[in-house]
Amino acid sequence: AQSVTQPDIHITVSEGASLELRCNYSYGATPYLFWYVQSPGQGLQLLLKYFSGDTLVQGIKGFEAEFKRSQSSFNLRKPSVHWSDAAEYFCAVVPNSGGYQKVTFGTGTKLQVIP
Amino acid sequence: SQTIHQWPATLVQPVGSPLSLECTVEGTSNPNLYWYRQAAGRGLQLLFYSVGIGQISSEVPQNLSASRPQDRQFILSSKKLLLSDSGFYLCAWRYGTTDTQYFGPGTRLTVL
Repeated sequence: AQSVTQPDIHITVSEGASLELRCNYSYGATPYLFWYVQSPGQGLQLLLKYFSGDTLVQGIKGFEAEFKRSQSSFNLRKPSVHWSDAAEYFCAVVPNSGGYQKVTFGTGTKLQVIP
Repeated sequence: SQTIHQWPATLVQPVGSPLSLECTVEGTSNPNLYWYRQAAGRGLQLLFYSVGIGQISSEVPQNLSASRPQDRQFILSSKKLLLSDSGFYLCAWRYGTTDTQYFGPGTRLTVL
């Protein structure tokens, strides 16, 4: 069965430090891949998505993600974290096989930013 | 541009009371619509999705139901709430084959 794993439940980084949030998926073919961010009490906002092509994807708010087929990973990165990046981050996967397909979300990584 | 609205933003209800949460989408037509629940520490759980008026698919059997009376309106209901229905309810829409879902601001439901 299709699954998405975000192995880090909680991460703490200092403001200005670099960030990498991990996401691994289990699926037979390359799916569509997404990262969302959720601030407390808010809905989910799309950061970036990968469908095909260049494996390094740029998103909003200075985030990027790299798709690595060999590792079945789609890790989210940011070179310098700002205090406003404190939020929960969700990786999501949709099978790339046409028709309606259900989105599978990871369980989320909560990011804390310390001054 | 497209926008998605949910109301109410917060709701406190006693056990056994009915529920009605509403979601509307503006700026698009024929969207696929979704209801998710987010319980503390449990990620997102897909509850219902709809590909058109009157077409509802249920992902998880429970005491909730959904309806889509209009193209851009999606309603989540319950006749009798349970304590376990507490959570953050998110509506999302997806247009055509883009496979990208866009989320509303959510409704925080507390059942006491």
